[in-house]
Amino acid sequence: EDQVTQSPEALRLQEGESSSLNCSYTVSGLRGLFWYRQDPGKGPEFLFTLYSAGEEKEKERLKATLTKKESFLHITAPKPEDSATYLCAVQAAGGFKTIFGAGTRLFVKA
Amino acid sequence: EAQVTQNPRYLITVTGKKLTVTCSQNMNHEYMSWYRQDPGLGLRQIYYSMNVEVTDKGDVPEGYKVSRKEKRNFPLILESPSPNQTSLYFCASRPGQGAYYEQYFGPGTRLTVT
Repeated sequence: EDQVTQSPEALRLQEGESSSLNCSYTVSGLRGLFWYRQDPGKGPEFLFTLYSAGEEKEKERLKATLTKKESFLHITAPKPEDSATYLCAVQAAGGFKTIFGAGTRLFVKA
Repeated sequence: EAQVTQNPRYLITVTGKKLTVTCSQNMNHEYMSWYRQDPGLGLRQIYYSMNVEVTDKGDVPEGYKVSRKEKRNFPLILESPSPNQTSLYFCASRPGQGAYYEQYFGPGTRLTVT
C-alpha cells in the first residue's frame, strides 16, 4: 500500500537555526514527490516537485532533496515567516491519486 | 486572477440533510480533486476527475458523490451527511494528469455535521 510518513510532527526553531524535515514514502513506482506549505486557515501552496533520486530543488531558504526512500526539506536560517505546516505528497506510477503525509508543523521564534 | 473557489466556506448542518459544496476554477484545468483534512491524518483524497465526465475514487470516497459536467466545476455532494464527515474540505485543480503539473488549492470549506 502506498504510504507517506512525515517527521517530526512539530518542530520549534529559533530564528536562524537551520534544520530539516523528513518525508519517508513507500510507493509502487514514484511518478512525483511534492512539497507544499500550508498556513493556518488556508489551502496548501505548492513548493516543489521532485521526480527521481538525487534531484534537488531550491527556493529562497528552502531546499528539497530526494532519495529512493525519503525526501528532506532543508530550511536554512529560518525566519518567523517560515512558520507553517509543511506537507509532503506522492503520486505513484500507473495511477492518478495523490497521497499526502500528515505534515510537520514548523514554529520559528524571533 | 487565477484561482480555485469553494462555497460555502463554512457550513453547519444536521445528520441526513443533503448538501453540496461547489468548486470552480478559472484556469481551464483538466484535473480536479477533492480532499478532506483531519487532525493527525493529513489530506486524504476523496475523488478526482481527469476531465469532463471522467471521475474516479480516491482513498476515502464512501459517503460522497461528485460530478463533472463542465470543465470548470466539480461539486462535492453529501447525500446523507453523518457526524464522521465533519472535516475541512479542499478542492484542487491542475492543468493535466501528469505529476509535473503544479496543483492549486481552494481556500477550504469547514463542514460540521451535528
